[in-house]
Parts: sequence; C-alpha cells; structure tokens
Amino acid sequence: NAGVTQTPKFQVLKTGQSMTLQCAQDMNHNSMYWYRQDPGMGLRLIYYSASEGTTDKGEVPNGYNVSRLNKREFSLRLESAAPSQTSVYFCASTTRGRGYGYTFGSGTRLTVV
Amino acid sequence: GIQVEQSPPDLILQEGANSTLRCNFSDSVNNLQWFHQNPWGQLINLFYIPSGTKQNGRLSATTVATERYSLLYISSSQTTDSGVYFCAVGAYTGTASKLTFGTGTRLQVTL
Repeated sequence: NAGVTQTPKFQVLKTGQSMTLQCAQDMNHNSMYWYRQDPGMGLRLIYYSASEGTTDKGEVPNGYNVSRLNKREFSLRLESAAPSQTSVYFCASTTRGRGYGYTFGSGTRLTVV
Repeated sequence: GIQVEQSPPDLILQEGANSTLRCNFSDSVNNLQWFHQNPWGQLINLFYIPSGTKQNGRLSATTVATERYSLLYISSSQTTDSGVYFCAVGAYTGTASKLTFGTGTRLQVTL
C-alpha cells in the first residue's frame, strides 16, 4: 500500500546508545518531517526537509540529526540517547505546493532507560 | 512562535450525538489541517482547510482565518470516532509548511 513507512515500530535503548529511525514514502512527495509526541504536549517538530538535499531545524532539534538520503527516505539519528528522548516519533510527508495535507507514518515508540 | 489552543480538552458523547471542536490560533496562517489519532496511535488527515468550509461524510470543518479560529463538526457520532483530534497550523516557506499542533481534544463515544 502507498504511504509512509517507519521502522522500527518499537525500540528500547540504554542511555548513551545510538540509533537511527528510518522513514520512507512512496508517494513522490517533496517535503518530509520528523515529529515527536509526548503525553499532553501534542506533536512537536524536530527536523524537516523541504526537498531532496535540504534539511532544517524545527522546534526541538537538540540531540538529533537527520539525513535526506534521497527523495523517498528521511532518517532521524540519536547519537547518544537520553531518557528525555523517550517518546513516540512520527514521520510525515507532503507534496509540493499548497492544498495538500500531511500523510503520517504509523510511528516509532522509543524508550530510553 | 504561533500558539494553538483547542477546546474542549476532553469530551464524552453518547453514540448518535453531535459535537463541535474548536481551534484558536494566535497568528495569520495559510495552512490549517485537522487530524484524528485513533486509539492505536495512527494519525489520519481529515481536512486541509486554511479557510472556508469543507464536508466529508459526517464530518465538516470551517475556518474563519480573519478571526483566527477553526471548528470541526462531528454529526451522529459513532464509537469509531473515538480518539484524539488535533488541529495544526502553519505558514508556507518555499515549498515546505511546518505545522504547529495543538494539544488535542480527546473524544470518547459510548454506546
């Protein structure tokens, strides 16, 4: 099925470990986004990529890095995980131009102990 | 940054009832979307509605951009409508539009 695919769905890390969250879309979308969702706080933007080859910081970028590998893939890396990064991470994409809504992946639930 | 407030924070309805969810935002926007997060955590886009009115089945939405609010109407609610409804707003910069989310309205529809 067409859409946004995130892997893994669940992950437990120890403090200080690193990992990469993967996101891929097959809708030929230009823009891709990483959000985190914490209880009672809605979703907050971590990083985004307006188009292939560009990335920019969002509201809460500290502790994260991103790579827009190609038009389809946008990965999020935690270099040294901290308990404060325990959250649910969502990737989203949208096409160029106005009038189009976001399509979200199913999320990655990350626990840092 | 832009502030987004949603009300009410929680809502319990009996099946068949109607409801109105409200979203207020603090600045001019040209991108406003409504999402439903189901009990399994999946986020579904309901409407892209920076202005005007749209309808999709039992759901409709109205945005009055000049007064900085949007309303989501749910008619004849069903148990499958349960979940959290998010309003998200933003402004385009080039080809991207960063969205700022409200904290959501949690809806529970009971039999």
